[in-house]
Amino acid sequence: DAKTTQPNSMESNEEEPVHLPCNHSTISGTDYIHWYRQLPSQGPEYVIHGLTSNVNNRMASLAIAEDRKSSTLILHRATLRDAAVYYCILRDRWGAQKLVFGQGTRLTINP
Amino acid sequence: DSGVTQTPKHLITATGQRVTLRCSPRSGDLSVYWYQQSLDQGLQFLIQYYNGEERAKGNILERFSAQQFPDLHSELNLSSLELGDSALYFCASSVGPGVIYEQYFGPGTRLTVT
Repeated sequence: DAKTTQPNSMESNEEEPVHLPCNHSTISGTDYIHWYRQLPSQGPEYVIHGLTSNVNNRMASLAIAEDRKSSTLILHRATLRDAAVYYCILRDRWGAQKLVFGQGTRLTINP
Repeated sequence: DSGVTQTPKHLITATGQRVTLRCSPRSGDLSVYWYQQSLDQGLQFLIQYYNGEERAKGNILERFSAQQFPDLHSELNLSSLELGDSALYFCASSVGPGVIYEQYFGPGTRLTVT
């Protein structure tokens, strides 16, 4: 599985946008970029995924670099509830369906 | 609420014992996954079932086994328990086996082996 690199931790303020980066320089053409997050004392939850184009949903936006070697998860207006560990995961279209979690980015939101 | 249920929520048992963790997937989901989360190993994939059949295996110990029943619920059996098996065990489900399908996680079972 291609690897991802994320900062260990980030901090932001409530009601401000948050940009969470992910580097995946060895990404292949069939790798989807998925983001999951894990709130304290809960199971992981799906956030968003994309292949080549930028994606938006009710939770977040995913901006994918033109060369696909990096991506950024954007929380447009962070709330205290967005404090969580965010995982950037590559999933090969033709590969195993399991999720391979790295260390993720621990996001702290200040009131 | 993801729609995935797991029981029990907490389990405390002694070394050498055997336990069964239960998972009910979201209605309509055919794939079930089991993950283990420990402090030193992070979140790790254990095993996947799709419509009753084993689909993929991860770093699952031989002391551990799982199955998916005709009603699609799944059980994870852990035997000859060791202190190092203490962890959070998550079950997840998805509609199908493809990578485009998101996985929905249950609240987990916290296992403590003493």
